[in-house]
Amino acid sequence: DQQVKQNSPSLSVQEGRISILNCDYTNSMFDYFLWYKKYPAEGPTFLISISSIKDKNEDGRFTVFLNKSAKHLSLHIVPSQPGDSAVYFCAASAGGNEKLTFGTGTRLTIIP
Amino acid sequence: KAGVTQTPRYLIKTRGQQVTLSCSPISGHRSVSWYQQTPGQGLQFLFEYFSETQRNKGNFPGRFSGRQFSNSRSEMNVSTLELGDSALYLCASSQDSFNNEQFFGPGTRLTVL
Repeated sequence: DQQVKQNSPSLSVQEGRISILNCDYTNSMFDYFLWYKKYPAEGPTFLISISSIKDKNEDGRFTVFLNKSAKHLSLHIVPSQPGDSAVYFCAASAGGNEKLTFGTGTRLTIIP
Repeated sequence: KAGVTQTPRYLIKTRGQQVTLSCSPISGHRSVSWYQQTPGQGLQFLFEYFSETQRNKGNFPGRFSGRQFSNSRSEMNVSTLELGDSALYLCASSQDSFNNEQFFGPGTRLTVL
């Protein structure tokens, strides 16, 4: 049972445009959400997070939006740069010491 | 500050053997988690250790086990290896809870022949 779903395995975006990565979840107990980026041969690195008391969090070119009623979150990257090409994982937890549940990832390719 | 280190980076084993993977967390981090990454499955949570105690466990068979030492270093053991155990095994550390940022190591690529 995949509680966190990233339905797009891959996404290609022109350099300078906006990249939008989507993530859906089914567990209504999830209240903390994170995005990780992974380059080949490296472990994932933390990008940005959001708690359920907010609907938006920004960090530079990265913004995460949370729609609790739709159980949907998205990561916006503006403007997209070639170095953003990587696999992006969303993750969720029910808070505190509850484990992180990861999605299957979306491979983002930025076209120069 | 040194990052999370995992040894070995690559490992080839045959079916039926057992394997032990090691993870050294960032200094001061007390929580160590293990994940299995396979194509199309994302990161599957194996277990988490905190202060030498298993605090969380995923849905993996008992062939997968782990432990944590007093210095927070952790080991993961897989017994009676199966072909399907071929994967990238990632270790992550955080200061105390999952809501703290987790820092991942580069992983150990295990191939079972």
